[in-house]
Amino acid sequence: AQSVAQPEDQVNVAEGNPLTVKCTYSVSGNPYLFWYVQYPNRGLQFLLKYITGDNLVKGSYGFEAEFNKSQTSFHLKKPSALVSDSALYFCAVRVSGGYQKVTFGIGTKLQVIP
Amino acid sequence: EAGVAQSPRYKIIEKRQSVAFWCNPISGHATLYWYQQILGQGPKLLIQFQNNGVVDDSQLPKDRFSAERLKGVDSTLKIQPAKLEDSAVYLCASSSLRRSRNEQFFGPGTRLTVL
Repeated sequence: AQSVAQPEDQVNVAEGNPLTVKCTYSVSGNPYLFWYVQYPNRGLQFLLKYITGDNLVKGSYGFEAEFNKSQTSFHLKKPSALVSDSALYFCAVRVSGGYQKVTFGIGTKLQVIP
Repeated sequence: EAGVAQSPRYKIIEKRQSVAFWCNPISGHATLYWYQQILGQGPKLLIQFQNNGVVDDSQLPKDRFSAERLKGVDSTLKIQPAKLEDSAVYLCASSSLRRSRNEQFFGPGTRLTVL
């Protein structure tokens, strides 16, 4: 069975500081990894994905994530946080190939403090 | 392009009543998903359609939940009868068949409250 762990319920960071939201995964086979963001009363929005190739992937709104196979991690990062980045962030994983189910983590609330 | 549409946005019912949700995916997207998101948790896949066929419904409580996607376009999810623990946000998402490794596009969700 595949799973995703987001060990922090909430991350607080000052505006302008770098931010990291952690994610580790467990899957049998090659993983496809995703980050989504959810603003209040809205559906999830795609940020970025890792399928294959470069371990550092860049996505929307200045976010990036680094795939680390040995540590089975896919942490989300941004060099300089904005107040508008405050939201709920979900990491997700699926196995490569075919029509495979995506498993989401429980989410991490990011609070950027002005 | 238009996004994923869902209705209603909010629904309040009493336990043992029935309820139905509707989803219209992005035009041309062959894959459609229904998720249940309970407060404080991540989305949990209930059912996944490829065109009008079911690919995965392993986590769908089939004694009370049903879903269909006639003609491979829009879809309905039904709960009959509802229980208190069904209170959640029901999210519909779609993705393109041609880019099967692609991200999913989510609708705004339907918030269900069962009293």
